[in-house]
Amino acid sequence: QVQLRQWGAGQLKPSETLSLTCEASGGSFNGFYWTWVRQSPGKGLEWIAEINHSGGTHHNPSLKSRVTMSIDISKNQFSLKLKSLTAADTAVYYCARGSIVSTISTIDYWGQGALVTVSS
Amino acid sequence: SSELTQDPALSVALGQTVRITCQGDSLRSYYASWYQQKPGQAPVLVFYGRNNRPSGISDRFSGSNSGNTASLTITGARAEDEADYYCNCRDTVDNHVVFGGGTKVTVL
Repeated sequence: QVQLRQWGAGQLKPSETLSLTCEASGGSFNGFYWTWVRQSPGKGLEWIAEINHSGGTHHNPSLKSRVTMSIDISKNQFSLKLKSLTAADTAVYYCARGSIVSTISTIDYWGQGALVTVSS
Repeated sequence: SSELTQDPALSVALGQTVRITCQGDSLRSYYASWYQQKPGQAPVLVFYGRNNRPSGISDRFSGSNSGNTASLTITGARAEDEADYYCNCRDTVDNHVVFGGGTKVTVL
């Protein structure tokens, strides 16, 4: 059973940088897209970005300029940095495991989520 | 366009059938995946591709696809099916992923 454990600062100020890390266990690290999704209070899911074991990335166009993804295969960990925070970035952030097989793209395992609040 | 459109809310009587739809141009090239999210919990994958249900997901959940529309059908709705449901798929232009706005399903 794949498990995703995430951690990072939960309270940040405007203009600061969010930094979250997620560790995967219980399955292969290769062959998947390691993903971040967020959900603002009372709102829907917003996909942020993904990275594969080779460091290949895809980004949400609306967030791309502020997002940095990284991966450490030796530790089965991947990380998200989101800079220039505003109150609009307040959300529950989920790490997750995605995959692409032919024309099927899916996210099959999710972390527990972590609330990040941006406030002065 | 990479947008996916869902009805904001649907209701279904206990034991009846409800169909949740998701529309978008990307669905002509990629299959949708469907997620169930209950309050305070992470989303759970309930259906994906043409006909795939993850292990442990009830066979009351089924999916279909036609043109630019994907559908998730819940047959014999139970109180435990009351949740938000999201579709997603991959954008064909630059490969980013997009979610639909979600459908809140209420079981009456």
